[in-house]
Amino acid sequence: KNEVEQSPQNLTAQEGEFITINCSYSVGISALHWLQQHPGGGIVSLFMLSSGKKKHGRLIATINIQEKHSSLHITASHPRDSAVYICAVSPRGNLIFGKGTKLSVKP
Amino acid sequence: DAGVIQSPRHEVTEMGQEVTLRCKPISGHNSLFWYRQTMMRGLELLIYFNNNVPIDDSGMPEDRFSAKMPNASFSTLKIQPSEPRDSAVYFCASRTGTGNQPQHFGDGTRLSIL
Repeated sequence: KNEVEQSPQNLTAQEGEFITINCSYSVGISALHWLQQHPGGGIVSLFMLSSGKKKHGRLIATINIQEKHSSLHITASHPRDSAVYICAVSPRGNLIFGKGTKLSVKP
Repeated sequence: DAGVIQSPRHEVTEMGQEVTLRCKPISGHNSLFWYRQTMMRGLELLIYFNNNVPIDDSGMPEDRFSAKMPNASFSTLKIQPSEPRDSAVYFCASRTGTGNQPQHFGDGTRLSIL
């Protein structure tokens, strides 16, 4: 069993829809990261959180440490949000990655 | 600010050849990570350094892979001899401070072994 599980694997949405991507993990962590990988391949760190909720623009990330679960929400989705979203956990200094969620937002 | 710089961006070579990937971390960052991304396995940690010292190399697949960090501004990942199954995108990332800081990724090196 993977230590980090994401769902769904693939997600297609219409522009303007509210999107939720889920991440569950099975190890103790010091932090959880949400990363975005665009079709060109570059990886950008969106959030790093160890408790509660963080918001940046239309993106919101939440984490429940007791349940070992995190969600990434995108409000008013836009085609430029199309990318692979990767959840990663940090048990020590390194990162353990989920397989990613491929999001396509149609105009 | 310059980000993490990786070279080359693309490498195509024949199996059996030595491959060297290079990474320059962000100035002032004291941790450096090498990752490999494939369709089958996603992103995986190969090795990471803290203050130029290898901390965890448990992800290095086998003895054909080696990594060095001779100083705070440069690291190499070497594969010798290369095999077709090594074909992947290799990312370098760096971070300042402890584990509770975000990692900054380079653009990756797309490696194809024929």
